Amino acid sequence: NAGVTQTPKFRVLKTGQSMTLLCAQDMNHEYMYWYRQDPGMGLRLIHYSVGEGTTAKGEVPDGYNVSRLKKQNFLLGLESAAPSQTSVYFCASSYFRDTGELFFGEGSRLTVL
Amino acid sequence: DQQVKQNSPSLSVQEGRISILNCDYTNSMFDYFLWYKKYPAEGPTFLISISSIKDKNEDGRFTVFLNKSAKHLSLHIVPSQPGDSAVYFCVSASAGGTSYGKLTFGQGTILTVHP
Repeated sequence: NAGVTQTPKFRVLKTGQSMTLLCAQDMNHEYMYWYRQDPGMGLRLIHYSVGEGTTAKGEVPDGYNVSRLKKQNFLLGLESAAPSQTSVYFCASSYFRDTGELFFGEGSRLTVL
Repeated sequence: DQQVKQNSPSLSVQEGRISILNCDYTNSMFDYFLWYKKYPAEGPTFLISISSIKDKNEDGRFTVFLNKSAKHLSLHIVPSQPGDSAVYFCVSASAGGTSYGKLTFGQGTILTVHP
C-alpha cells in the first residue's frame, strides 16, 4: 500500500520555466490538497480538491494551477516559475467528512534559480 | 498574521522525562485542534487531536490539553523516547474547515530526545 506518492522528489528550475508536480493516492480518498512549507512558516494550503473534476483555491494560490482529472491524481503546475516558489511541496489526501487527519506524501523539493 | 503560534522553535529533553510542547492561537472560531509529527525527508503524520468541547485527550504516551479561555494548547509526551525526536506542528481548524483540509499550521517545534 503506497499511500500518497509525489513525483518528482527534487527539481531545479530556472526562472520562467514551467513544470508539473504529480500526486497519486491509492486510498480512494475524495479530498486532495497541495501545501507548501517554507522555513519558519509551517505549511500553507495552495489548492485543494473535494472530488474528481473539482478544484478550489487555498491560502496561497497565486502562480499555481491544479487539475484533478482522475480521482487518484492531483497535479500542481507552475506555468512560469519564480524564485519565491522555491519551497518544499506536500500533497495530502483525506476521506470525505474527515476529522482533519490528512495523509501526506514525502514532499517535493523545488528550487527556482 | 500568524494565527497559530509555536513560540519555542526547539526543545531538548532527556529520555524518560516529560516533553511539553506549547501552542497559542488567536482565532476564536477554531474548534478543532491537531498535532502532527514530521521526520526529516518525510511528510507530516497525524498524531492526536482534540475538539473544542473537550479540555483533554489522551492516547498512550501522548496527551493534548486545551485551554480555550487562554487560547492555549499543549502536547505532553510521557515518557519521552529518542524515536520521538521530530518536528511537531500544532494545527487548528474551524467548523467546516476540517471537512476541506483547511488547516492552519503553526511554525513547528523541533523536539530532540537525548538517550
